[in-house]
Amino acid sequence: EAGVAQSPRYKIIEKRQSVAFWCNPISGHATLYWYQQILGQGPKLLIQFQNNGVVDDSQLPKDRFSAERLKGVDSTLKIQPAKLEDSAVYLCASSSGAGGHTGELFFGEGSRLTVL
Amino acid sequence: AQSVTQLGSHVSVSEGALVLLRCNYSSSVPPYLFWYVQYPNQGLQLLLKYTSAATLVKGINGFEAEFKKSETSFHLTKPSAHMSDAAEYFCAVSGTSGTYKYIFGTGTRLKVLA
Repeated sequence: EAGVAQSPRYKIIEKRQSVAFWCNPISGHATLYWYQQILGQGPKLLIQFQNNGVVDDSQLPKDRFSAERLKGVDSTLKIQPAKLEDSAVYLCASSSGAGGHTGELFFGEGSRLTVL
Repeated sequence: AQSVTQLGSHVSVSEGALVLLRCNYSSSVPPYLFWYVQYPNQGLQLLLKYTSAATLVKGINGFEAEFKKSETSFHLTKPSAHMSDAAEYFCAVSGTSGTYKYIFGTGTRLKVLA
């Protein structure tokens, strides 16, 4: 079974530029999460999708961050314009969600963003 | 609201010594609790989980954790540390129904000394 795929693995941009990250969850997983992990900290939830609907985006800085999950499968997280403090690893995770929930999140390897 | 607190951002143990990583949780409803491990430049990987069955949970790589409701704790232990256990460990709490929102702790970096 293929795991959670993320791209790109690394991205370096200058402040005020834009960037997009892509995530393809495990096939059949209804729930998709985007986390921001700043160096030395735990993952912070940015947004959670159930199928193609948003369940929680309370910690997403909506003035610069956006995310979508068209057709309830893969997802894109965009940052525009980027700030220095956005330098972090962006982790995508998926789970089987309601009806088949095992309690486990499956993570991708992350996309490391450096903003100069 | 749910939360987890991990005591000690860095823990050092000698190879062969007991590993104890602490996690306390706060939840208004019975939670699911998890320990994840993260190796450098990798995503998080599940070590073990508590989902309201046995309170002593065994995971991969010889780790185990005990759910203690009276102490609101879910500490991670391993009897004998190995060099390969050096990594960052995260405790997490989730609801047991509905939207399964996960909250992670700030992490504990384990260093194993030869």
